[in-house]
Amino acid sequence: DAGITQSPRHKVTETGTPVTLRCHQTENHRYMYWYRQDPGHGLRLIHYSYGVKDTDKGEVSDGYSVSRSKTEDFLLTLESATSSQTSVYFCAISETSTSGGTLAKNIQYFGAGTRLSVL
Amino acid sequence: AQSVAQPEDQVNVAEGNPLTVKCTYSVSGNPYLFWYVQYPNRGLQFLLKYITGDNLVKGSYGFEAEFNKSQTSFHMKKPSALVSDSALYFCAVRVSYGGATNKLIFGTGTLLAVQP
Repeated sequence: DAGITQSPRHKVTETGTPVTLRCHQTENHRYMYWYRQDPGHGLRLIHYSYGVKDTDKGEVSDGYSVSRSKTEDFLLTLESATSSQTSVYFCAISETSTSGGTLAKNIQYFGAGTRLSVL
Repeated sequence: AQSVAQPEDQVNVAEGNPLTVKCTYSVSGNPYLFWYVQYPNRGLQFLLKYITGDNLVKGSYGFEAEFNKSQTSFHMKKPSALVSDSALYFCAVRVSYGGATNKLIFGTGTLLAVQP
């Protein structure tokens, strides 16, 4: 899975507890993303990072926070987990290069996912 | 609003027959379009992309996709389906958002089932 490690791979937790998911990359890519995958919704972006300490919200960011203190690590935190956050979470990375002013690479590479159940 | 639509939740095809998985998009500016595949309990794998140039792009595992600007579509095709092609397929379009221009919007996915 393209040098991306997500941990843990599975987690069961209780409502109201904090949860942190980790994404670690060995590719030195600039961009990192957290998505959640739910039936009928495809993948939805939670937060993304465009560099160390540079993060921004995606379309479903409520209830989530992120941090990126090193290029290789991007953490997703659920401050107080709710049952609606039961989902499969995917981390992705990408790099952008330009050639003649045209973006030549926009491919995102995905980790294997973390299955989170909030009871 | 920028969006991607995959109108079919599931596509069924017999092995050896051609397959098409449909995707339409709505985005401002020139679209960057992608197809990904997901096998059970795995992350998404990149299949192919359209950035510019020829409207017919070829990707991994014999898949190809045709960009049609007038119909705002990016349907994926394969001349002869294999049972091993059975998986969940996602279409995605790149959008510009804030400081990152690599944000993708995904469709809801199409489950491809190839019968032997």
